[in-house]
Parts: sequence; C-alpha cells; structure tokens
Amino acid sequence: TQLLEQSPQFLSIQEGENLTVYCNSSSVFSSLQWYRQEPGEGPVLLVTVVTGGEVKKLKRLTFQFGDARKDSSLHITAAQPGDTGLYLCAFPSGGSNYKLTFGKGTLLTVNP
Amino acid sequence: GAGVSQSPRYKVAKRGQDVALRCDPISGHVSLFWYQQALGQGPEFLTYFQNEAQLDKSGLPSDRFFAERPEGSVSTLKIQRTQQEDSAVYLCASSASAGGYNEQFFGPGTRLTVL
Repeated sequence: TQLLEQSPQFLSIQEGENLTVYCNSSSVFSSLQWYRQEPGEGPVLLVTVVTGGEVKKLKRLTFQFGDARKDSSLHITAAQPGDTGLYLCAFPSGGSNYKLTFGKGTLLTVNP
Repeated sequence: GAGVSQSPRYKVAKRGQDVALRCDPISGHVSLFWYQQALGQGPEFLTYFQNEAQLDKSGLPSDRFFAERPEGSVSTLKIQRTQQEDSAVYLCASSASAGGYNEQFFGPGTRLTVL
C-alpha cells in the first residue's frame, strides 16, 4: 500500500516569511495533486503535477514534483494570513484514476 | 448556487441512531464521491457514483454505511446504528467527467458527532 507522508505536520510563521512543505512516498506517483482546506470548508484543488521535475507556479506558490516522482514540495513566498489552512497532497490509488488517497496534511498558520 | 452543497452542516446523534447526510453536486456533474475526514487526518475515500450507478464502495467501513444516488444527481449517505467512531466530517465531491483524473469539487462537509 502506497502511503503519503507530509511534513511538517504543523507550521506557525509570521506574515512575510517563506516556507516549504513536503509530500513523500516510498513508491512512484503517477501524478500528484495539492489541495488547501480552510476551516469548515472542503479541500480546494491548487495544482496537479504529472511529469518528473515539473515546476508549477500559482502566484506566490511554487509546486515542484521530484525527478523520480516520489516526492513533491510546495513553497510559499511572503506568506500572508490568507494562506492559513491545511495543505493536503493526494494521488490516485487502487488502480483507479478517481480514488484519491490523501496525506494527513500540513496545518499552516500565518500570524499577522 | 454554483458549488457543491451539503446538509445538514452539523449533526449530533446519540449512539445507535440512524443518520442521513445529503449532497447536492454541481449541476450536470457525472461523478460523485463521498469521503470521511477524521479529526487531524486527510479525507479518506468512501464511495464513488457515476450517474446513478455506484461503481466503487470499497471504502465504506462497514455494512452500516449505505449510499445512494437514485436519479444521478442528489446523493444521500446513510449511517445506521451510529457508533462513536463514526464521528467525523463527511465530505462530498463531484466531477464533470466519468472516471478519469479530473478536478473534484468538494462541498463544505457535514460534521457528525456521535455521543
């Protein structure tokens, strides 16, 4: 069974700081998605990465997929309080394209 | 409303009671998913519908859990004889296409507390 490990589990920083969170597995991902979940809401898709070595940018967020497709990172530049939330990575599992397996997430708090 | 809606948003049940959770997907979305999210965890897959057909129920934890989508739109997740371990947020998601790896749009969830 392929498992996802996300680190750190918790992260509390001040507004304006940079941060990186990680998603790792011992097995190769066919593809990987990153979500952000705010309190009391469902997860919202941020990005899908497919190709090893791929880098995608979404405003102040930079997503990287490892060359071997076993790991991914999310870097946030100049964090803002609005970035606060649970950051989840997920991949399609069980031989399907729709059954998402999620990591436990990184709970980010950005203090003003 | 343009998004996925769920009701009720909060449900408190006594152990042994039956509960029914409703999901209204985005209009026209073919695929519908249910997930369970325990406190401090990521969502875990429960079941998948393509239109009215339940194609995958491999994540349902026990035979006390039952889901339906009789007309291919609204879905209901029913839990019989609730137990304390059923306490969690139940998330519904929908997707425009059948199967495939496409964006799933999540509702806000129903927080179930079993006393």
